[in-house]
Amino acid sequence: DQQVKQNSPSLSVQEGRISILNCDYTNSMFDYFLWYKKYPAEGPTFLISISSIKDKNEDGRFTVFLNKSAKHLSLHIVPSQPGDSAVYFCAASLGGTSYGKLTFGQGTILTVHP
Amino acid sequence: NAGVMQNPRHLVRRRGQEARLRCSPMKGHSHVYWYRQLPEEGLKFMVYLQKENIIDESGMPKERFSAEFPKEGPSILRIQQVVRGDSAAYFCASSPSVGQGTDTQYFGPGTRLTVL
Repeated sequence: DQQVKQNSPSLSVQEGRISILNCDYTNSMFDYFLWYKKYPAEGPTFLISISSIKDKNEDGRFTVFLNKSAKHLSLHIVPSQPGDSAVYFCAASLGGTSYGKLTFGQGTILTVHP
Repeated sequence: NAGVMQNPRHLVRRRGQEARLRCSPMKGHSHVYWYRQLPEEGLKFMVYLQKENIIDESGMPKERFSAEFPKEGPSILRIQQVVRGDSAAYFCASSPSVGQGTDTQYFGPGTRLTVL
């Protein structure tokens, strides 16, 4: 039962352009969403998060959009840089007694070409 | 300010042996989480611990796996009688507190377990 899905296994973008990574979820009880970036042989690095009471959060080149009615979130990176090439995971957490447990998507491999 | 520390980074075991993975959370963090990543998959939650307490172990296999976070020292994930299917990357994460679902988890570099 994949509650968080990243349907695009990979994305290729030219340097300077926008990268858009997408994530869908099925559980309407999720109330907090995060994006992580991961390089090979390293742990995930936190990028940006958003609470379900918001529809947008911005941090520098990274913006996360949340559409609760569609159960969809996206990460926009602009402008994209070659150093952004990595695997990107979206994750979601529940409230209440399930605090702490993150449910991850399968990841999207982003390649930014110079 | 050191991040989450995990050791060893790489661990090779033969089938039937025991594997012990260690995690030291970030300074000031009292909540530890363990995740497993199988090849070509995302991270899967295993267990959530606070000092001396297991809060949520809903992702732990029913047999051979155990976890602890003692009052002193690192958190330990123990896998007894390892099998080839246990080969994976095991990541530990920590957070300072839990409340309103807004706390972010910070990950260590992982332990790559290979079972021969």
